[in-house]
Amino acid sequence: ETGVTQTPRHLVMGMTNKKSLKCEQHLGHNAMYWYKQSAKKPLELMFVYNFKEQTENNSVPSRFSPECPNSSHLFLHLHTLQPEDSALYLCASSHTGTAMNTEAFFGQGTRLTVV
Amino acid sequence: KQEVTQIPAALSVPEGENLVLNCSFTDSAIYNLQWFRQDPGKGLTSLLLIQSSQREQTSGRLNASLDKSSGRSTLYIAASQPGDSATYLCAVKGRGGGSQGNLIFGKGTKLSVKP
Repeated sequence: ETGVTQTPRHLVMGMTNKKSLKCEQHLGHNAMYWYKQSAKKPLELMFVYNFKEQTENNSVPSRFSPECPNSSHLFLHLHTLQPEDSALYLCASSHTGTAMNTEAFFGQGTRLTVV
Repeated sequence: KQEVTQIPAALSVPEGENLVLNCSFTDSAIYNLQWFRQDPGKGLTSLLLIQSSQREQTSGRLNASLDKSSGRSTLYIAASQPGDSATYLCAVKGRGGGSQGNLIFGKGTKLSVKP
């Protein structure tokens, strides 16, 4: 258990569905991240939130919509996805700032399959 | 743009062997480097974090080294065990603000330790 919890662990959705992924951290970190992991590719950073503010959107299609209501919770809202969006979606958190230990901790991921 | 390369992509060794995993990065202006372990279909577990001012870190049978000037890090695993079988990922955190401060991952080395 890393202190970062993701739900659900597995999700199958149709291309017309709307679903949300949830991430929660209990480590007191101020930054949270969404990553996408596809087969045979490095982890791709999708979004970064610092103190609830989005600081990075790595050219992610608008069918992925993040939400960060507070520093402990992060959501990824999904709608009208494509089969190529099937992947493992990972949430991470860390401190930010040069004075802090910025070690990143990851959740167990949500395995998403779009049919 | 930072690029992280891990060699080899896959490695199979008999139990008990000592082994070295390699990671190289193109931009030496890093803040830290982190090694992770990932079991199939699971999230990432942080193994070791080396700050840019450090040369190595040790945890149990694991030893990670960092040569920032040459853009290289190695993860040494002593007396390997079947339970060490997993994919090992290297990630570097840049020094700059904004996107330069994000974690950039390699594709990983898939390790298999045979009993």
